[in-house]
Amino acid sequence: AQSVTQLGSHVSVSEGALVLLRCNYSSSVPPYLFWYVQYPNQGLQLLLKYTTGATLVKGINGFEAEFKKSETSFHLTKPSAHMSDAAEYFCAVSLGGGADGLTFGKGTHLIIQP
Amino acid sequence: NAGVTQTPKFQVLKTGQSMTLQCAQDMNHEYMSWYRQDPGMGLRLIHYSVGAGITDQGEVPNGYNVSRSTTEDFPLRLLSAAPSQTSVYFCASSSGHTMGSPLHFGNGTRLTVT
Repeated sequence: AQSVTQLGSHVSVSEGALVLLRCNYSSSVPPYLFWYVQYPNQGLQLLLKYTTGATLVKGINGFEAEFKKSETSFHLTKPSAHMSDAAEYFCAVSLGGGADGLTFGKGTHLIIQP
Repeated sequence: NAGVTQTPKFQVLKTGQSMTLQCAQDMNHEYMSWYRQDPGMGLRLIHYSVGAGITDQGEVPNGYNVSRSTTEDFPLRLLSAAPSQTSVYFCASSSGHTMGSPLHFGNGTRLTVT
C-alpha cells in the first residue's frame, strides 16, 4: 500500500517569495507522483506529474517538483509567488499509472501575503 | 467540450433518505472514480471503474453503491444517507491509455445530511 504525507496544512509566503510545499510518500514499488491544485469551489486540476525519466518535472504556472527516490520526496516549488497562487495543493501517488485510483495527501493551503 | 459534469452542485438530505449523484464525461475515458473530500482529510477514493460493466471498491466504500452501464456515466448511490456522509464529492475520469494519465475532475457535489 502507498501513502502520502504533506508537511504543513497551511503555508504562508509573501508575494514574490519562494514557494516550497513538501510531500513525502511511501511505496513498495516505484510510484507515479502528482501535484494537483484546487481553487475555491472548484475541482482539482493537474499541476505536474512524474512517471519515469527526468526527476525534475516542470508544470503549469511556473511550478516544478523534483523526485528524490533516496528521500522518498516530491516537493513542489515556485521561485516567486503570485497572489493568484493562493489555493489548496494536493500531492498524490499511484502505483497503476494514475488511472485507477490515486492516494492523496491531506492537502496544503497556500496563503500569499501581499 | 464539457469534460466531467456532476449534478447536482448542492444537495441537502435527511438521515435515511436515498439519492444518486450523477457523473458524466464526454472524453471517452475508460477510467472513472468517485472521491469524497473532508476538511483535513484530503480526498479519499470511494469506488472506481476501469470500464463499462466493471467496478471496484476504494478506500471508503461503505454506504455507497456504483454501477457503470455506459462509458460516459458513473452514478454514485447513497441508499440510506447518514450524517457521516456529509462531504464534498468529486467524480474524476482518465483515459488510462498511457502511464501517468492524469485525472480530470468535475466541480463537485456538496452534500449535507441532517
